[in-house]
Amino acid sequence: GAVVSQHPSWVICKSGTSVKIECRSLDFQATTMFWYRQFPKQSLMLMATSNEGSKATYEQGVEKDKFLINHASLTLSTLTVTSAHPEDSSFYICSASHPGFYEQYFGPGTRLTVT
Amino acid sequence: GDSVTQMEGPVTLSEEAFLTINCTYTATGYPSLFWYVQYPGEGLQLLLKATKADDKGSNKGFEATYRKETTSFHLEKGSVQVSDSAVYFCALSVMEYGNKLVFGAGTILRVKS
Repeated sequence: GAVVSQHPSWVICKSGTSVKIECRSLDFQATTMFWYRQFPKQSLMLMATSNEGSKATYEQGVEKDKFLINHASLTLSTLTVTSAHPEDSSFYICSASHPGFYEQYFGPGTRLTVT
Repeated sequence: GDSVTQMEGPVTLSEEAFLTINCTYTATGYPSLFWYVQYPGEGLQLLLKATKADDKGSNKGFEATYRKETTSFHLEKGSVQVSDSAVYFCALSVMEYGNKLVFGAGTILRVKS
């Protein structure tokens, strides 16, 4: 149990375009989902926390107008990178947690390359 | 703020060698502690966890003990295999802060046959 999927697994887009990444909890309802960014050979940086039905909470230094997060249902959260630039190229990872539990379950990640 | 410090890698070992990856933390609340593993090309997987002092988490031959007095959660395995080659992340979360995970920098482990 506790499987989290992400789609797409990798995407290439042109500079200036927007790209949407989906995160789904497949076998449980996730009231909270987290979005992380991982640079090559570095650790994960939390970008934002999203709670179903409410606005996401962004970490300091993360542009909320650039990284749009929507958590419309208990099984789906989306991250949209707007007006992407090459510096947005990275590995984006989501995680989801059960209500009242501390453990997070991670998706496999999405590799974004902006050309 | 909360932080996790883990030993720098890469750590290179021969098969069947003993593994220790050090992890220490600072936290303003009472944290839960985790070790996550990331195999090449894959997402993070929870390896083991401990939620209170003196708890020992264990899984797949790995173990770590929550030491409140030394604020440490060192990862150990008695005999590593080539298949253990991966990146290992130590992390903490504090329920009062919405269970946000704070990760260490990660330690690359390479096991040679």
